Amino acid sequence: QLQLQESGPGLVKPSETLSLTCTVSGGSISSSTYYWGWIRQPPGKGLEWIGGMYFGASTYYNPSLQSRVTISVDKSKNQLSLKLNSVTAADTAVFYCAGGSRGNYYMDVWGKGTTVTVSS
Amino acid sequence: QSALTQPRSVSGSPGQSVTISCTGTSSDVGGYNYVSWYQQHPGKAPTLTIYDVNKRPSGVPDRFSGSKSDNTASLTISGLQAEDEADYYCYSYAGSYTWVFGGGTKLTVL
Repeated sequence: QLQLQESGPGLVKPSETLSLTCTVSGGSISSSTYYWGWIRQPPGKGLEWIGGMYFGASTYYNPSLQSRVTISVDKSKNQLSLKLNSVTAADTAVFYCAGGSRGNYYMDVWGKGTTVTVSS
Repeated sequence: QSALTQPRSVSGSPGQSVTISCTGTSSDVGGYNYVSWYQQHPGKAPTLTIYDVNKRPSGVPDRFSGSKSDNTASLTISGLQAEDEADYYCYSYAGSYTWVFGGGTKLTVL
């Protein structure tokens, strides 16, 4: 059974780069069977799709974040990573890693989320 | 890419039915039969409730149903129960491997 676990610093300073990882268990991060995504949720607000990686290679991003976001995989660690640069307080959120099966257009496996606060 | 439009809140009494709407455009909701709905309880990760407009994952009660007409998708919950009180988000494919969420709806069971 696929399981996802996000991790990373809980506090990031303004203008710095937010870096998170998502460890995948029960499946291979590089498998063409799955695709992966990052979603965030600011405090008291709704969900926002950040971007995703499909079939171990192609990445796609929310146009509103595209200039600041990079999603990649570390196959040796079976991890998905997220980097968001030039952060501001508006980037404070719970960040979720999620996955879906190839051919499906929804994410049916989610991590528990990790909270990141942007503050000096 | 703009967030899909959902009512901020809906409410209903136990046993009643409620419907949550999700309005997008022909580039997302109207363009594909790939609308899903997520339920989120406070402090928890979202869980899939409906996918592909009207399909239920195993384990989701048949009280939950989905539909779509043109650029608007809907989630109907019948026979409301206390545990249905949560936030609900629609989620639609928007082409070119991008997706968009709705703003979310808080369901209160009176």
